[in-house]
Amino acid sequence: QVQLVESGGDVVQPGRSLRLSCAASGFIFSGFGMHWFRQAPGKGLEWVTVISNDGSNAYYADSVKGRFTISRDNSQNTLSLEMNSLRTEDTAIYYCAKDLTTLTLAFDLWGQGTLVTVSS
Amino acid sequence: QSVLTQPPSVSAAPGQKVTISCSGSSSNIGNNYVSWYQQLPGTAPKLLIYENYKRPSGIPDRFSGSKSGTSATLGITGLQTGDEADYFCATWDSSLSGVVFGGGTELTVL
Repeated sequence: QVQLVESGGDVVQPGRSLRLSCAASGFIFSGFGMHWFRQAPGKGLEWVTVISNDGSNAYYADSVKGRFTISRDNSQNTLSLEMNSLRTEDTAIYYCAKDLTTLTLAFDLWGQGTLVTVSS
Repeated sequence: QSVLTQPPSVSAAPGQKVTISCSGSSSNIGNNYVSWYQQLPGTAPKLLIYENYKRPSGIPDRFSGSKSGTSATLGITGLQTGDEADYFCATWDSSLSGVVFGGGTELTVL
């Protein structure tokens, strides 16, 4: 079954850390760039970060640069997001998604999302 | 404040047609492909259009996309109540080196 399943969302205090995971199945994980997006309650979509199919390149939104780190394990078909120095404004549903192809920046498979709440 | 500008809401009657605009600049829409997403309440986004006008398999031809200059448009014909959702445009921004979205448009089928 072709799917992405996120996990790791939790309630954390400001300044603390959290690690999200995204388990991929049903497709050749190592063949696609992978992204994290987020959506604050009642708000629009925000791109967070992307990692190339082989893990050699990554880009980050300015809002998370220096605090978040994306990584992948192609042997385990797993994508991760390490989030440090969390802020209240990081509260959102976090989605992982895959690129349609290696040459096409469009996101054709999304996970169901995992909720991160940053609150004291 | 989103980099891409969409109308907050649009509405039309069942069976009618609606268009949703997405306005950007030369650093994003003007020089990169646009994709569109449908997000039904409480669900993850779904890809509707990629590379400005192409539809993934399984997306009906009631959904169409176009781009001109620094603007893009999503069209939906034969509106159904099941089309009620939020719609987002997205593209790469070469200046920001990241993906940018429109703020989203809520479609109401009256």
